[in-house]
Amino acid sequence: EVKLVESGGGLVQPGRSLKLSCAASGFSFNDYWMGWVRQAPGKGLEWIGEINQDSSTINYTPSLKDKFTISRDNAQNTLYLQMSKLGSEDTAIYYCAREDNWGYFDYWGQGVMVTVSS
Amino acid sequence: DVVMTQTPLSLPVSLGDQASISCRSSQSLVESNGNTHLHWYLQKPGQLPQLLLYKVSNRFSGVPDRFSGSGSETDFILKISRVESEDLGVYYCLQSTHLPPTFGAGTKLELK
Repeated sequence: EVKLVESGGGLVQPGRSLKLSCAASGFSFNDYWMGWVRQAPGKGLEWIGEINQDSSTINYTPSLKDKFTISRDNAQNTLYLQMSKLGSEDTAIYYCAREDNWGYFDYWGQGVMVTVSS
Repeated sequence: DVVMTQTPLSLPVSLGDQASISCRSSQSLVESNGNTHLHWYLQKPGQLPQLLLYKVSNRFSGVPDRFSGSGSETDFILKISRVESEDLGVYYCLQSTHLPPTFGAGTKLELK
């Protein structure tokens, strides 16, 4: 069974940084692209970025490219999202997801809430 | 970025009705190799998004055959032949032909 479990969320002050983790199991992690999607309260889905199997290709949505960094550790079957210079607009549920070769996310984690507030 | 426009934003239905949701892209979603990367998700209340259809019309594992997808280039449709209570929620289209992938704003399927 494919399982993705995010962690590291919580309350953070504006301007600070936070690193999310996503532990994967039930599939061969190093065979798949992985990605992050977020959803602000009551809003729609926003694609954040993706990383390929060996981390040689990482793509971001342009508006977040200077704030967010995606990485992975294939030995630990873990995906990461490093977020910096956080603002209230970054308050959201953050989902990690497995990406199929055709660019869609087929399995999603339950999500982790990040609240940016003083 | 490619803009994905979904209509309607809200779709009141009765159980057993047929429902159609439209998704229009600001650019063609056809790749040079002929593939079209348009996908559909359903997010039920309080749940994470779940994949329904990929590449326009392919049902993901376990998705009932009352869900179907069609379209080409810039215009796509998701149809539900006979709406059941478990189908209620917000539907999103996603294009992954162009970077960055972009979602539609969502269509809320709700009971009349």
